[in-house]
Amino acid sequence: DTGVSQDPRHKITKRGQNVTFRCDPISEHNRLYWYRQTLGQGPEFLTYFQNEAQLEKSRLLSDRFSAERPKGSFSTLEIQRTEQGDSAMYLCASSAAGGRGDTQYFGPGTRLTVL
Amino acid sequence: AQKVTQAQTEISVVEKEDVTLDCVYETRDTTYYLFWYKQPPSGELVFLIRRNSFDEQNEISGRYSWNFQKSTSSFNFTITASQVVDSAVYFCALPASGSGNTGKLIFGQGTTLQVKP
Repeated sequence: DTGVSQDPRHKITKRGQNVTFRCDPISEHNRLYWYRQTLGQGPEFLTYFQNEAQLEKSRLLSDRFSAERPKGSFSTLEIQRTEQGDSAMYLCASSAAGGRGDTQYFGPGTRLTVL
Repeated sequence: AQKVTQAQTEISVVEKEDVTLDCVYETRDTTYYLFWYKQPPSGELVFLIRRNSFDEQNEISGRYSWNFQKSTSSFNFTITASQVVDSAVYFCALPASGSGNTGKLIFGQGTTLQVKP
């Protein structure tokens, strides 16, 4: 039973560079979520996909952020022109279709450090 | 607006002590779900429990138990006979209402539990 995987686990970059993260959800799950977690805080919702359609984006997701889920399988989250304030843990989660109460299963996260 | 409050920022106990983590929530939904997740130092959020607001029975799973009280909007989590491996950050969460049924979760700020040997 393969869980949610994320790559890379850690990323250190210089301010102004672009970075891309990948998430592979549990294979039969068609819902995929991205969250961001800063130190000492709970995760905050960034965006949501149902299959390949991006159905909701948080106001936290500035125009420097873009997410895709081609073919409804893996997803990528790209941050352009990174800023020090982007330093955080980026978490991906997936759930089966059904309703608002579906359990979300999380990946190990990608920790981004912007120097 | 929906909100999850975990007032205890950090708790420190000695191994084998019982410990209760508090969670208070606000929601305008009449039916809803509540969740608890554990985040060990490795960083991955591990699902612990999902509770439907219809079901107010307490739940026990090994050393873990949950007390759901709709009247006080609380969903507290108790670890009996704590162990060092229980050291982690624990989050309470509930799905946001509206928003077309996306299921996005609203998390509390978390409670850091340290269990000392």
